[in-house]
Amino acid sequence: QKEVEQNSGPLSVPEGAIASLNCTYSDRGSQSFFWYRQYSGKSPELIMSIYSNGDKEDGRFTAQLNKASQYVSLLIRDSQPSDSATYLCAVTRRSGGSNYKLTFGKGTLLTVNP
Amino acid sequence: DTGVSQNPRHKITKRGQNVTFRCDPISEHNRLYWYRQTLGQGPEFLTYFQNEAQLEKSRLLSDRFSAERPKGSFSTLEIQRTEQGDSAMYLCASSLVRQGENIQYFGAGTRLSVL
Repeated sequence: QKEVEQNSGPLSVPEGAIASLNCTYSDRGSQSFFWYRQYSGKSPELIMSIYSNGDKEDGRFTAQLNKASQYVSLLIRDSQPSDSATYLCAVTRRSGGSNYKLTFGKGTLLTVNP
Repeated sequence: DTGVSQNPRHKITKRGQNVTFRCDPISEHNRLYWYRQTLGQGPEFLTYFQNEAQLEKSRLLSDRFSAERPKGSFSTLEIQRTEQGDSAMYLCASSLVRQGENIQYFGAGTRLSVL
């Protein structure tokens, strides 16, 4: 079982729709959860971070965390063509000392059609 | 530019050659990370520094790979005797742990092609 799993997609939504991206993780010791956006050929850019169960909203983005189900999601409202990118789910956990390395999923490719 | 800076952006080399990449973190960040990303995969952790101390190395980091961060500032990643399997994007990230939060900011990466 992979540590962080995402549907690779592609996920295709029409402009203005809600895009829903999902991620599951295997390590119950995971403490911090992140969504990064990566345009083709570019580096990952942080979109959202979430640390406790529930929802966290930032503009058109909402992250949802359910630690009991080991599930984290990202909703993008009013999707725009500029949102077309690969969305990477990442988690961190402590091991030994203060180790905060990110473990990434493979990413989900989102395409927003005009 | 106050972001993470990586040089060079692209590197093409022949198999067996040595290559070195440089990363300049955000100035106040004390933690620095190296990741490797291949096509269709998420970034994979390679190694991590807190100030000048290298605190963890992944099993992915074979003995051909070495990383340094002298004086806790910039970092270099050297690959000796490159192999075609080393072709990837090498990403550097830096962070400053603040109030328990550790947000990693990535540089633009160095894309390595081994011929």
